[in-house]
Amino acid sequence: GENVEQHPSTLSVQEGDSAVIKCTYSDSASNYFPWYKQELGKGPQLIIDIRSNVGEKKDQRIAVTLNKTAKHFSLHITETQPEDSAVYFCVGTGTASKLTFGTGTRLQVTL
Amino acid sequence: DVKVTQSSRYLVKRTGEKVFLECVQDMDHENMFWYRQDPGLGLRLIYFSYDVKMKEKGDIPEGYSVSREKKERFSLILESASTNQTSMYLCASRTTLGLGYTFGSGTRLTVV
Repeated sequence: GENVEQHPSTLSVQEGDSAVIKCTYSDSASNYFPWYKQELGKGPQLIIDIRSNVGEKKDQRIAVTLNKTAKHFSLHITETQPEDSAVYFCVGTGTASKLTFGTGTRLQVTL
Repeated sequence: DVKVTQSSRYLVKRTGEKVFLECVQDMDHENMFWYRQDPGLGLRLIYFSYDVKMKEKGDIPEGYSVSREKKERFSLILESASTNQTSMYLCASRTTLGLGYTFGSGTRLTVV
């Protein structure tokens, strides 16, 4: 099955700085890569996703890049704000329709 | 607003008890999933269901079972709770053709 590795496990940035979270996956058949954000006391929520036929996707301050050759994808958050503080999960799909989650990155944005 | 509702936010159960975790979605989704979330391990899939009466084992099904008698409801059952099942349990759903999951807020289960 799919194996997803995520780094770093914790990330602290100052407000206004950028944050980058990186993931690698194992199944070359994976073609869909969503990112989820989990705020304290809530379930994960989809924030952005990318399909394997594109290399980059952007939504306001959030962007995701995909390198299929190297089997890695990254989440980029620019101009971070305190409300960006949360746990972020990258996800791989493999050949099955179920999702395989990374181990999560706890992002803390300090004032 | 679409919703996945988990019946309890916090539960405390004793070792050996039979525990039911309930999940209801109001989006007419075919697929439903149960995950457990532990620090440093991310979300791990326990069981999932593609439709009513159907169930499939996930990555860590041992010690758990599920029931899907109605489309909107997916129950996770701990036949005999053990302390290593203390965790956060998350339910999710999606349409068959959809990709994104909608998650509930989770049930934090403590087994003492």
